Amino acid sequence: GESVGLHLPTLSVQEGDNSIINCAYSNSASDYFIWYKQESGKGPQFIIDIRSNMDKRQGQRVTVLLNKTVKHLSLQIAATQPGDSAVYFCAECNQGGKLIFGQGTELSVKP
Amino acid sequence: EPEVTQTPSHQVTQMGQEVILRCVPISNHLYFYWYRQILGQKVEFLVSFYNNEISEKSEIFDDQFSVERPDGSNFTLKIRSTKLEDSAMYFCATGLASREQFFGPGTRLTVL
Repeated sequence: GESVGLHLPTLSVQEGDNSIINCAYSNSASDYFIWYKQESGKGPQFIIDIRSNMDKRQGQRVTVLLNKTVKHLSLQIAATQPGDSAVYFCAECNQGGKLIFGQGTELSVKP
Repeated sequence: EPEVTQTPSHQVTQMGQEVILRCVPISNHLYFYWYRQILGQKVEFLVSFYNNEISEKSEIFDDQFSVERPDGSNFTLKIRSTKLEDSAMYFCATGLASREQFFGPGTRLTVL
């Protein structure tokens, strides 16, 4: 069946350190993945996406890595800031736009 | 910057009552979605809507749920007879392309 899940439910990092959030997916046919950030009381906010024909994609301070062999995604946040504190979800997007979200990882940044 | 808006921010209702959750999409967006998030759990897909019809729906989206764009702008989710387990945050998302989604701030539904 379809499922997207996360390895770590919580992650605590020191301000300025790099953060790595991991995600596993089960549908090997998936071709598009998105990372979302959700702050308390708000809706998910797009961070970065990646298609299955890529292994890596970089944004501003964020990098997503895709390993199709082991069906694994990661989100790397460089120089983590207090404003990065939130819950991070990976999501698999099907052709019709349906998002299948993972459980979420709560990132806590200590000043 | 354009945003998806949702009303109300919080809805409290009695079990068995009907509720309508409203979403104002970003102008010119063509694809519309509803998701829900039960407290402490992951976001779950409910339904996608394009060209005035449902494109895909989940098992959660049973006969008690319906969606429409009554005036060509607002996008609504109706729950005909609410149950306790319908208590959740409901998020609307809209996009100009089929795989693009901007989320609204959500409506917290509490069923008593």
